[in-house]
Amino acid sequence: QKEVEQDPGPLSVPEGAIVSLNCTYSNSAFQYFMWYRQYSRKGPELLMYTYSSGNKEDGRFTAQVDKSSKYISLFIRDSQPSDSATYLCAIQKNFNKFYFGSGTKLNVKP
Amino acid sequence: GAVVSQHPSRVICKSGTSVKIECRSLDFQATTMFWYRQFPKQSLMLMATSNEGSKATYEQGVEKDKFLINHASLTLSTLTVTSAHPEDSSFYICSARDSGGSQTEAFFGQGTRLTVV
Repeated sequence: QKEVEQDPGPLSVPEGAIVSLNCTYSNSAFQYFMWYRQYSRKGPELLMYTYSSGNKEDGRFTAQVDKSSKYISLFIRDSQPSDSATYLCAIQKNFNKFYFGSGTKLNVKP
Repeated sequence: GAVVSQHPSRVICKSGTSVKIECRSLDFQATTMFWYRQFPKQSLMLMATSNEGSKATYEQGVEKDKFLINHASLTLSTLTVTSAHPEDSSFYICSARDSGGSQTEAFFGQGTRLTVV
């Protein structure tokens, strides 16, 4: 069983839609949860990170963690074409190792 | 956010030659850097963790003698792909953790696309 599972998509939505991206993980020992955005042929950039259950909001982005279900989500409000990218969830158990999801490719159509 | 510079961004080499990829943290010190490999439409696969001044820690299945890692300073780690073969063609990405910052954040380089012909 993979440490982190993520639906690869692709996910296609119209501009302005609310996007929901999700990951599940297997180990309850994981402590830190992150979302990265990766444009084609570029390195990932950190969008958000959180370490507790609940919601964390940053502009149009909301990260949600449900530790009881081992489920994390990223919501994007008022999606824009510039949001089109691959979104990777990442989970950290200790300070030395990240586990990445396979990435969900998002396409926001104008 | 902090900047990590990776060089070169793209390299084509002949089979049997060696290629060196550099990863530099430009505005922070990084005692720990990570090297990943990414295949098309797949996620990042951690190859090794590079620690300044000590030997790198390789993930299971990654050949130490083929992927040489050197982390000689707090701002530079290098990955050398030795005797490259076409199956080594991939996107290689480094990331660095700010020694003085949050232990949960790692900043990524732009990636290096290696093509072995």
